[in-house]
Amino acid sequence: QSVLTQPPSASGTPGQRVTISCSGSSSNIGDNTVNWYQQLPGAAPKLLIYLSNQRPSGVPDRFSGSKSDTSASLAISGLQSEDEADYYCAAWDDSLNGPVFGGGTKLTVL
Amino acid sequence: QVQLVESGGGLVKPGGSLRLSCAASGFTFSDYYMSWIRQGPGKGLECVSYISTSGHTIYYADSVKGRFTISRDNAKNSLYLQMNSLRAEDTAVYYCARGEGSPFDPWGQGTLVNVSS
Repeated sequence: QSVLTQPPSASGTPGQRVTISCSGSSSNIGDNTVNWYQQLPGAAPKLLIYLSNQRPSGVPDRFSGSKSDTSASLAISGLQSEDEADYYCAAWDDSLNGPVFGGGTKLTVL
Repeated sequence: QVQLVESGGGLVKPGGSLRLSCAASGFTFSDYYMSWIRQGPGKGLECVSYISTSGHTIYYADSVKGRFTISRDNAKNSLYLQMNSLRAEDTAVYYCARGEGSPFDPWGQGTLVNVSS
């Protein structure tokens, strides 16, 4: 049982916009920034979004993040087949004094 | 470029021990917290431990507390995870990552630990 809650799956067609939600509590998302990681099949996770809405160099601007209260979202616009991957949200948890993850969302491009 | 390379994984019997290593390059290792994150088969991610730059601040997930020990050698640009009293539920790919979650970046390629009789 993950501390942060994500839908297990999401899907969209090429060119579509999809969003993935991440729900937490006041001790994690409510008080800290959110990071998102992309894990392509057979690969290690890679940082996709940090500080809730910042993209590392090299990440396309099709990917965007937002946060409100105790929830966060990852949006992917202009969906492409290479976006098919698992996506994880993460945040610091003040109660645990450590980082926590969501259970991950498997994105399928139809 | 920044690179993290894990080693030391393998097959071990329940109750056994294993020591993982992570070799870092391309950045000033001693300036960064470092972490171990694991992913069980078909499962999500769990940060099992992190260590501060000097080694004075250490975090362990409850699931590994008292069994795993994290350490680092800044002179050798290396991170370690000593895993004792291993259980079947410790079976996972173990990733080394820079940072303590704010954020984790980058990640190594991972090393597989299989605890089975």
